[in-house]
Amino acid sequence: KAGVTQTPRYLIKTRGQQVTLSCSPISGHRSVSWYQQTPGQGLQFLFEYFSETQRNKGNFPGRFSGRQFSNSRSEMNVSTLELGDSALYLCASSEGGYNEQFFGPGTRLTVL
Amino acid sequence: AQSVTQLGSHVSVSEGALVLLRCNYSSSVPPYLFWYVQYPNQGLQLLLKYTTGATLVKGINGFEAEFKKSETSFHLTKPSAHMSDAAEYFCAVSFAGGTSYGKLTFGQGTILTVHP
Repeated sequence: KAGVTQTPRYLIKTRGQQVTLSCSPISGHRSVSWYQQTPGQGLQFLFEYFSETQRNKGNFPGRFSGRQFSNSRSEMNVSTLELGDSALYLCASSEGGYNEQFFGPGTRLTVL
Repeated sequence: AQSVTQLGSHVSVSEGALVLLRCNYSSSVPPYLFWYVQYPNQGLQLLLKYTTGATLVKGINGFEAEFKKSETSFHLTKPSAHMSDAAEYFCAVSFAGGTSYGKLTFGQGTILTVHP
């Protein structure tokens, strides 16, 4: 099976802009989770979607949002970008429940 | 609240030496435990997992970990380090329960350096 894919791999934006990141899970996986990775804060959970429903959300401001489509592909959106949003954004898919998660290569977002 | 602590942000070993990366967790319910590895500019790769059953779990690339409930630990070991093991390693935990759907809680990571 193909692994988790994320597009784009690299992105440069300026403050105030918005950005959309995309994640395609492993075929058959219905759960997609998103994480933000920074040197200072480490890996932090953003949210999880399962069958198009957000089931869990981390402690991030409302500028961070997501959605999941009927084919399980997921998008994450960040509006009104701030310098502190510069990070590696990782998506992971799983079969659901408490199974292991499989990660994509990430999208490196730089906010100038 | 659940948490994960990795002791030692940097560990350095010689090639062929034992690798020991420490992970402790706090939880009031039975945990599911994972070790991931991250190479530069890449995502996380699953090394091994503990859910239920045998407390000594074997993973890829010769790594193994032992779940010790009494010590709330899940340390990662490899008998003989290889240069290709140099990477950052993350211990992660999840828990049964609605507030934990799809959420892994990660430790701060341990950078493993392997010297020739």
